[in-house]
Amino acid sequence: SYVLTQPPSVSVAPGQTARITCGGNNIGSKSVHWYQQKPGQAPVLVVYDDSDRPSGIPERFSGSNSGNTATLTISKVEAGDEADYYCQVWDSSSDHPGYVFGTGTKVTVL
Amino acid sequence: QVQLVESGGGVVQPGRSLGLSCAASGFTFITYAMHWVRQAPGKGLEWVAVISNDGSNKYTADSVKGRFTISRDNSKNTLYLQMTSLRAEDTAVYYCAKANLKVISRGGVDPWGQGTLVTVSS
Repeated sequence: SYVLTQPPSVSVAPGQTARITCGGNNIGSKSVHWYQQKPGQAPVLVVYDDSDRPSGIPERFSGSNSGNTATLTISKVEAGDEADYYCQVWDSSSDHPGYVFGTGTKVTVL
Repeated sequence: QVQLVESGGGVVQPGRSLGLSCAASGFTFITYAMHWVRQAPGKGLEWVAVISNDGSNKYTADSVKGRFTISRDNSKNTLYLQMTSLRAEDTAVYYCAKANLKVISRGGVDPWGQGTLVTVSS
């Protein structure tokens, strides 16, 4: 099955830029979605189809996808951005298509 | 606004069955595919299953294939997950979620319900 690999943790100072990577074989050929999950809450979609933002998501959240790596970028990081972030793709390469989630990255705001 | 409310969670013994429901409101339910996603305590997200808007297409994760069945009743705006032969490793919070777009393979899922906890233990 398709595997998505994320760094376990990323630390960033307020006001700086956080970059969270999601690695997968030829992931650039797939549509990547990103979720933010704060403790005790359900996940929230922050970027879909590589770089689109749902309504209500700040422009500080952006995404890119090429080759074997997709990236979620959070600009001007705020304390409220501290959360777990997950990437996701639809894997149609096997006999059993379905969504796959990345391993998750904990973002800590210093 | 879109609201998804799961119910049916609880404690169940290994090998037994349990059914979950998700009541949807605030959108045209019949228009969108619906998903189940779970999260074991302290762990990451695991996609479980999806059903197309009209129920004609269903896809299920390998980890639950043959044991879990997703279904929907569009007349009741309700999504279901029937779980059989439950194992300790099925212990998780189960979320229902709406497909973000009208194509299953794109757009991700949004929004999510608040989740219901299923604990498989003797």
